[in-house]
Amino acid sequence: DTAVSQTPKYLVTQMGNDKSIKCEQNLGHDTMYWYKQDSKKFLKIMFSYNNKELIINETVPNRFSPKSPDKAHLNLHINSLELGDSAVYFCASSQVPIDLSSYNSPLHFGNGTRLTVT
Amino acid sequence: EDKVVQSPLSLVVHEGDTVTLNCSYEVTNFRSLLWYKQEKKAPTFLFMLTSSGIEKKSGRLSSILDKKELFSILNITATQTGDSAVYLCAVLDSGGSNYKLTFGKGTLLTVNP
Repeated sequence: DTAVSQTPKYLVTQMGNDKSIKCEQNLGHDTMYWYKQDSKKFLKIMFSYNNKELIINETVPNRFSPKSPDKAHLNLHINSLELGDSAVYFCASSQVPIDLSSYNSPLHFGNGTRLTVT
Repeated sequence: EDKVVQSPLSLVVHEGDTVTLNCSYEVTNFRSLLWYKQEKKAPTFLFMLTSSGIEKKSGRLSSILDKKELFSILNITATQTGDSAVYLCAVLDSGGSNYKLTFGKGTLLTVNP
């Protein structure tokens, strides 16, 4: 009964290829995110969707195209992969408004997809 | 642009030592500050701090927020090798119902036996 699940866990591909990473959450949350973590462990937000609508797009190259078919899914498609795209990609979800008095994380993360571009 | 700065970037200590990790921030619509621990997989939640001056504790870990000076510290007492990890500070800000979590670059803590 994984809350936020991503597939695949590992993805090794060559430069120039197109690939997709899928994310699904069964928490009933309204908002989903994609984060990129580079080799130095810096976690940076890429996109945020609320009820299938794009609300945050943080100057990500347009080779990256998120797609949200419904509020439980947020997939990431990457065209013409480059070496610099190698990273761990984390999907996350949250319910808004966020309960600031909660003892839990406002964001629930998936376990990440390690993308290696050769 | 929102900014979260952590220091030190890395730290090596011996078991039993006490460490203090720092986080300063500049964000437009601050809602709360969070600390996470990351080992091999996804970040693991430690604390969420919304009010100044109220310490949150969990076992050997504690954290406090200063909203006037715009910083937070995370203390770990009597460190153990299992505390070795990257500790991430993040700030939650929002414009309306759009929430965003902005992370610092992390502090890599290594605890040697």
